[in-house]
Amino acid sequence: QQQVKQSPQSLIVQKGGIPIINCAYENTAFDYFPWYQQFPGKGPALLIAIRPDVSEKKEGRFTISFNKSAKQFSLHIMDSQPGDSATYFCAASKSAGNMLTFGGGTRLMVKP
Amino acid sequence: ETGVTQSPTHLIKTRGQQVTLRCSSQSGHNTVSWYQQALGQGPQFIFQYYREEENGRGNFPPRFSGLQFPNYSSELNVNALELDDSALYLCASSFGGSSYNEQFFGPGTRLTVL
Repeated sequence: QQQVKQSPQSLIVQKGGIPIINCAYENTAFDYFPWYQQFPGKGPALLIAIRPDVSEKKEGRFTISFNKSAKQFSLHIMDSQPGDSATYFCAASKSAGNMLTFGGGTRLMVKP
Repeated sequence: ETGVTQSPTHLIKTRGQQVTLRCSSQSGHNTVSWYQQALGQGPQFIFQYYREEENGRGNFPPRFSGLQFPNYSSELNVNALELDDSALYLCASSFGGSSYNEQFFGPGTRLTVL
């Protein structure tokens, strides 16, 4: 049972572009929504996270937009760079330390 | 501050064998969660240990078991290995007792079952 649906599965943008990755969740008990970045052969690294009491959070070039009524959230990467090429996962949980439910991942390629 | 470490990095086993994977949590963390990540998919939660007790379990059979030690390091044991157990096994540590403490992942152990 997939409780977090992520799209697109893959994404190609030019350097400087703004890739957008979307996630939708079903469980209204979720109250913590992190994004992880994973490079080949490495574990996921926490990028940024949001709670449903805010609609947007920005950290450096990464921004999360959150729509509680639609049960959707998205990641925007400003001024994308080739070094941002990785797989991105959204996740959700009932609190930060609890079981994370991950989306299927988005493989991003940023072309020079 | 030491990050999450896992051993071994890679492991090859044959069907029916047993395997033990190890994880050392980040300094100051007392909670360890284990995840299975099949190729091309998102991680799936196996179970979590908090202060040496199992604190939640995902949809995995009993042949997946674990331990947490007094120093908060942890082991994942898998018995009667099946081909579908081939995956990257990730552990993540966090500080329990607060809902505001994120989980930080180790580099994973790549298990191949032949």
